[in-house]
Amino acid sequence: QSALTQPRSVSGSPGQSVTISCTGTSSDVGGYNYVSWYQQHPGKAPKLMIYDVSKRPSGVPDRFSGSKSGNTASLTISGLQAEDEADYYCCSYAGSYTSYVFGTGTKVTVL
Amino acid sequence: EVQLVESGGGLVQPGGSLRLSCAASGFTFSSYAMSWVRQAPGKGLEWVSAISGSGGSTYYADSVKGRFTISRDNSKNTLYLQMNSLRAEDTAVYYCAKGCLKQPVDAFDIWGQGTMVTVSS
Repeated sequence: QSALTQPRSVSGSPGQSVTISCTGTSSDVGGYNYVSWYQQHPGKAPKLMIYDVSKRPSGVPDRFSGSKSGNTASLTISGLQAEDEADYYCCSYAGSYTSYVFGTGTKVTVL
Repeated sequence: EVQLVESGGGLVQPGGSLRLSCAASGFTFSSYAMSWVRQAPGKGLEWVSAISGSGGSTYYADSVKGRFTISRDNSKNTLYLQMNSLRAEDTAVYYCAKGCLKQPVDAFDIWGQGTMVTVSS
């Protein structure tokens, strides 16, 4: 099972919006509504930001939103803030044999 | 407070074995699937293995199948990962992660702090 494809990096100024794409196949992203997104600051454990494509866990700011179209999922951060600078990973369920596949990761830089 | 605490990492020679543990607290452990996810130094996240809430179903990434065994003791609220025939490419921080459902299909909503495994001679 190959990793989902994400851009290596994206950047934006404070207050701007950035969108991270996550491209898979019909066997993972396109086949299930179990796409999740994780934020990871250096030296820290990942933190769940979006689950089931577009749902936000309690405590996650509504600046974070998720969507999916076909085999590509997206995470949008609106009103970018300094503390949003981190690595972001998408993850998709990929069936009972493979179970899960993560994305390659995207570094978000706040200019 | 919902918490996961891993232990058991360390330095091991190629071909050696190690058992990781993950102690859970603050939630009904048996009601949720659990997974191990690893991250090699400077690399991305890689799902390693998952187990259903009852422990009756287990799943493995191809990279560890036949070498790693996941298990859980619901009476002790503890998740395990037995790692045999370790290779240099298994060197990583190993995280345990709680699933949102009883079966391992949905997101990981709680993560431990991770434990480092280094495979080197």
